[in-house]
Amino acid sequence: RKEVEQDPGPFNVPEGATVAFNCTYSNSASQSFFWYRQDCRKEPKLLMSVYSSGNEDGRFTAQLNRASQYISLLIRDSKLSDSATYLCVVNVRNYQLIWGAGTKLIIKP
Amino acid sequence: DAGVIQSPRHEVTEMGQEVTLRCKPISGHDYLFWYRQTMMRGLELLIYFNNNVPIDDSGMPEDRFSAKMPNASFSTLKIQPSEPRDSAVYFCASSSERVNTEAFFGQGTRLTVV
Repeated sequence: RKEVEQDPGPFNVPEGATVAFNCTYSNSASQSFFWYRQDCRKEPKLLMSVYSSGNEDGRFTAQLNRASQYISLLIRDSKLSDSATYLCVVNVRNYQLIWGAGTKLIIKP
Repeated sequence: DAGVIQSPRHEVTEMGQEVTLRCKPISGHDYLFWYRQTMMRGLELLIYFNNNVPIDDSGMPEDRFSAKMPNASFSTLKIQPSEPRDSAVYFCASSSERVNTEAFFGQGTRLTVV
């Protein structure tokens, strides 16, 4: 079993819809969690950190479920520009960042 | 700040040749990471440095790979000799000392070994 697992997709979603995807992690001692976004042929960029209490940034909501060991990302009112690969990242211990393989999202007009 | 700067952006080389990838981290960042990304394996951490000292190189695939950080503003990743299976995008990233902080990536070097 991989340490961080994501559904590779692609998720094909019509513009304006709500889409959610999860990421599961295996190490219960994981300390912090992030969602990064990677556009085609570009470098990954931080989308948002994931806090225990959950956090929201505009149309994006991230949540953490420590009991079930997963994090989620919800995108509301999706835009064409949201098309990208979303990478789940787990910090197991100091700077041991474990990366998921990414979930590809395609927003269709 | 110009961000993390990598060079070259693209490299095509013949099997058996030496390849050197370069990275300039963001000024003031204490951590530097080298990653490799392929379609098959996704993003893999190869090695990371803290204050110019290699901390964990367990991700370096073979002895053909080596990395150095002679000072706080420069790092290299060298492959000698290169092989076709080394073809990938190599990213350098840096971050500050604070825990749970964001890693900033360079634009990557797309390496093709023929």
